[in-house]
Amino acid sequence: GAVVSQHPSWVICKSGTSVKIECRSLDFQATTMFWYRQFPKQSLMLMATSNEGSKATYEQGVEKDKFLINHASLTLSTLTVTSAHPEDSSFYICSATTSGRVWTYNEQFFGPGTRLTVL
Amino acid sequence: AQSVAQPEDQVNVAEGNPLTVKCTYSVSGNPYLFWYVQYPNRGLQFLLKYITGDNLVKGSYGFEAEFNKSQTSFHLKKPSALVSDSALYFCAVLNNRKLIWGLGTSLAVNP
Repeated sequence: GAVVSQHPSWVICKSGTSVKIECRSLDFQATTMFWYRQFPKQSLMLMATSNEGSKATYEQGVEKDKFLINHASLTLSTLTVTSAHPEDSSFYICSATTSGRVWTYNEQFFGPGTRLTVL
Repeated sequence: AQSVAQPEDQVNVAEGNPLTVKCTYSVSGNPYLFWYVQYPNRGLQFLLKYITGDNLVKGSYGFEAEFNKSQTSFHLKKPSALVSDSALYFCAVLNNRKLIWGLGTSLAVNP
């Protein structure tokens, strides 16, 4: 099946620094990528939808300037957590779909996630 | 409000026994339902989906799920559990072009 990778798998940073997380589709072209956040014992929360070559669409309550998303190519999307603070500590997951439309009921392919800890 | 409930945090079952992981939903209109599995240190993997048609949906790794409109449920089942089925299972419903996720159920299959 289609494979999505994330890098790094875990990162620890100091408060006030910025962290970039990469999401790559390894064997397919992903026209749409999604970024999720998962808190312990909670469900996945969609943060934003990213289409290649266009600006990301953020969900209500997600700060665009805090969580910068770039989808520069059909195989790479990045999430940058700017000026990270301890409350940003979480598990960040990306997913990708091959569909040119956001929803054609095809399953999304998920990355393994990135554990961010902000000290 | 649209929601998905997985009433059990954890399900324990002996290897070879049938397993059921429960999911109920609340959405307006026709539901489009999904099951995903998350193995340790791996990304979520698609198991199966219900869009329309037969209420019994067959998916990967021998799993199946039954859509029950009257009970607003979409329980995941497998006739004979394997130790390798031990993982975290998520139910999700598509609503307004977005997936709404349950909290997940941890399945432990004991040898």
